[in-house]
Amino acid sequence: DAGVTQSPTHLIKTRGQQVTLRCSPISGHKSVSWYQQVLGQGPQFIFQYYEKEERGRGNFPDRFSARQFPNYSSELNVNALLLGDSALYLCASSPIPPSYEQYFGPGTRLTVT
Amino acid sequence: AQTVTQSQPEMSVQEAETVTLSCTYDTSESNYYLFWYKQPPSRQMILVIRQEAYKQQNATENRFSVNFQKAAKSFSLKISDSQLGDTAMYFCAFMKHGFSNTGNQFYFGTGTSLTVIP
Repeated sequence: DAGVTQSPTHLIKTRGQQVTLRCSPISGHKSVSWYQQVLGQGPQFIFQYYEKEERGRGNFPDRFSARQFPNYSSELNVNALLLGDSALYLCASSPIPPSYEQYFGPGTRLTVT
Repeated sequence: AQTVTQSQPEMSVQEAETVTLSCTYDTSESNYYLFWYKQPPSRQMILVIRQEAYKQQNATENRFSVNFQKAAKSFSLKISDSQLGDTAMYFCAFMKHGFSNTGNQFYFGTGTSLTVIP
């Protein structure tokens, strides 16, 4: 079975632009979480979605938004990009939450210039 | 709020030797999970080992074992017979048991970069 997939792998954007990152969970998993990992730091929680509803939000500004689709895939959107948004964005999928089983994707490396 | 602290930014170990990575955490929860994740260079994060807080017995997975001290809020990872493939960033993580209004999220430490020397 395929693991968690994310696209694109790498992305370069300019300050002020908008970006959309995509995640497909493991087949049968219904929850998706997003994390931001700045270079040299541990991942920081951004959102969790389950059954197309937001179930949790970390300490991130409203420029960050996400949604989950009927097939349980998810998109993370970031508006008005700042240099500080440069990071590895990780998606993790899990079965019906709450679950300690979270499987991470390879991430999308976003560089803002 | 939950916090996870890894006080060793970098460590190295000779191949076939044993190394211990440290992690402390702070929480007021009584039921939770603790994890060690491995993130090899340019590769995705994978689970190394998991410990349920209500279990007194320390978890083991082949060459990996933990020393879980609940009262001290300490959760260290021991890697025995270190191999070159163990070279990676290691993250300690905490998750509350059950639902919360802030989501079913991990709280990660800042990581320890481990290098296994041939």
